[in-house]
Amino acid sequence: DQQVKQNSPSLSVQEGRISILNCDYTNSMFDYFLWYKKYPAEGPTFLISISSIKDKNEDGRFTVFLNKSAKHLSLHIVPSQPGDSAVYFCAAKGTNAGKSTFGDGTTLTVKP
Amino acid sequence: NAGVMQNPRHLVRRRGQEARLRCSPMKGHSHVYWYRQLPEEGLKFMVYLQKENIIDESGMPKERFSAEFPKEGPSILRIQQVVRGDSAAYFCASSPAAAGFNEKLFFGSGTQLSVL
Repeated sequence: DQQVKQNSPSLSVQEGRISILNCDYTNSMFDYFLWYKKYPAEGPTFLISISSIKDKNEDGRFTVFLNKSAKHLSLHIVPSQPGDSAVYFCAAKGTNAGKSTFGDGTTLTVKP
Repeated sequence: NAGVMQNPRHLVRRRGQEARLRCSPMKGHSHVYWYRQLPEEGLKFMVYLQKENIIDESGMPKERFSAEFPKEGPSILRIQQVVRGDSAAYFCASSPAAAGFNEKLFFGSGTQLSVL
């Protein structure tokens, strides 16, 4: 029973264009969501997060949107750069839960 | 300020041997999490520890796996009698002691375990 799903294993976009990575969750107790970025042979690093009381959070080129009714969030990267090429993990946690539950990741390739 | 330190980076074991993976959290962090990434899969939660206490071990296999985070020293993930299916990347993450529920995780670079 996968509670956090990233249905697209991979995404390829042209440099300068928008990258949109999607994530769906099933557990209604989740109320905090995070995106992590992972390069090969390294650990994931935190990118951006959003609380369930918001529907949008922006940080430079990165924006996360949350649709609670649809249990869906997305990460927008504008403009995309070749250095953004990495695996992106969506994660979710509940208020009183220490652990974060991760999706399987989406591999983003940004072509020059 | 050193990040989360994991060692060894690579560990090769033969079937039936024991594997010990070590994790030193960031300075000031007293919450440690272990995740496993099997080939072609995502990060799967294994265990959450605070100093000297196991808080959540719901992701740990029932047998052969154990974890500790002693008062002094690193957190240890121990796998006894390893099998080929244990081959994976094991990531440790830490978070600050005083953080509320909005805790982001700081990950180490992982230990790649290969079982021959």
